[in-house]
Amino acid sequence: SSELTQDPAVSVALGQTVRITCQGDSLRTYYASWYQQKPGQAPVLVIYGKNNRPSGIPDRFSGSSSGNTASLTITGAQAEDEADYYCNSRDSSANHRVFGGGTKLTVL
Amino acid sequence: EVQLVESGGGLVHPGGSLRLSCAASGFIVSNNYMSWVRQAPGKGLQWVSVLFNGGITHYADSVKGRFTISRDNSKNTLYLQMNSLRVEDTAVYYCARELPIGDFDIWGQGTIVTVSS
Repeated sequence: SSELTQDPAVSVALGQTVRITCQGDSLRTYYASWYQQKPGQAPVLVIYGKNNRPSGIPDRFSGSSSGNTASLTITGAQAEDEADYYCNSRDSSANHRVFGGGTKLTVL
Repeated sequence: EVQLVESGGGLVHPGGSLRLSCAASGFIVSNNYMSWVRQAPGKGLQWVSVLFNGGITHYADSVKGRFTISRDNSKNTLYLQMNSLRVEDTAVYYCARELPIGDFDIWGQGTIVTVSS
């Protein structure tokens, strides 16, 4: 299967920890990358590879993977983390890229 | 500064054509994998096409045979030629650079394509 499945919406209290998950068969072979998108803005890469953060991404963002599930964890969520989050990987052919449907994170 | 700037979006009738451009600065397009990703209004991200540094191309099933990705090395610019446009192609189109392991590390600001009669 080339699909990646995410929960449509997740909420977290300010300062608490939240995990956003992404499921798909291709994740047994390839790592997921994670993107944060705020309204009216382009996506921003926040996690890639096994658990790598691009320069400028706070260390409260981390990634992990087990079996067919990849997770993005935000430890100590801040108000500015409220956004849509998308996972991305490759399909079984390794040539096509696929995105999850996105998770809307609300920080309460 | 490493950046991508898209242009070429606009309003087009169903069945029409449009060519999007993505001008890169701070890196060489031909040395990288480059993709187009789109986002329909109120919807999620959808990968459209990739151009490998060696010249091989791949397309999402929804655009295969209608869209063509290419680059002009002299202009350090990526293109997306879109033919036989459909209403469902309406979206913000982003170009993005891929890291060697397939992650999109640099994104443009997007260009809006509206297909409507």
